[in-house]
Amino acid sequence: GESVGLHLPTLSVQEGDNSIINCAYSNSASDYFIWYKQESGKGPQFIIDIRSNMDKRQGQRVTVLLNKTVKHLSLQIAATQPGDSAVYFCAEGSPYNQGGKLIFGQGTELSVKP
Amino acid sequence: KAGVTQTPRYLIKTRGQQVTLSCSPISGHRSVSWYQQTPGQGLQFLFEYFSETQRNKGNFPGRFSGRQFSNSRSEMNVSTLELGDSALYLCASSFNRRPSEQYFGPGTRLTVT
Repeated sequence: GESVGLHLPTLSVQEGDNSIINCAYSNSASDYFIWYKQESGKGPQFIIDIRSNMDKRQGQRVTVLLNKTVKHLSLQIAATQPGDSAVYFCAEGSPYNQGGKLIFGQGTELSVKP
Repeated sequence: KAGVTQTPRYLIKTRGQQVTLSCSPISGHRSVSWYQQTPGQGLQFLFEYFSETQRNKGNFPGRFSGRQFSNSRSEMNVSTLELGDSALYLCASSFNRRPSEQYFGPGTRLTVT
């Protein structure tokens, strides 16, 4: 499949374990954050978002935590499965009419061992 | 419903040439955004079109341009190609310009030699 050949931080976990992927952002004025998943050969896929007036948001098997004090974002994946293997990106942007004007983080490659 | 389509999927060009990439959004989507993905710089926003008008632009030189047609299909053009333009170019579409409702295509892999 398609690979962009990124030299990314890698997180290796055992199937069934919980995964935590971290992201630091630079703009203290950012008010909206998104996590994306990118599988080999595909474009990024939206996972979950959070606004700056929240510090936690939960989805299906995923939780995003936002710490504005230290400008840190994390994505927690519960009971990680082999299908979760992918590169995960955080992004900063606006929830409203700014379209795709997002600033992406470096990305973390998650590898799930069966 | 068909997803975002990008053509061609792979392209090899020579320095100095120009290239045009095409993106067909999901039916009904009016916003199209373009991104460049490289190993060194990661994912970077190029520009966004909505209703045939450029609404946002990233920090790229004027060699990078785009347009959107009345059917919402979009093209991006890179003139005077440089080696550093080698990248995966991603297109994403949405109905209402909200990132949370934006869908990405598989990308066009451009190699400049």
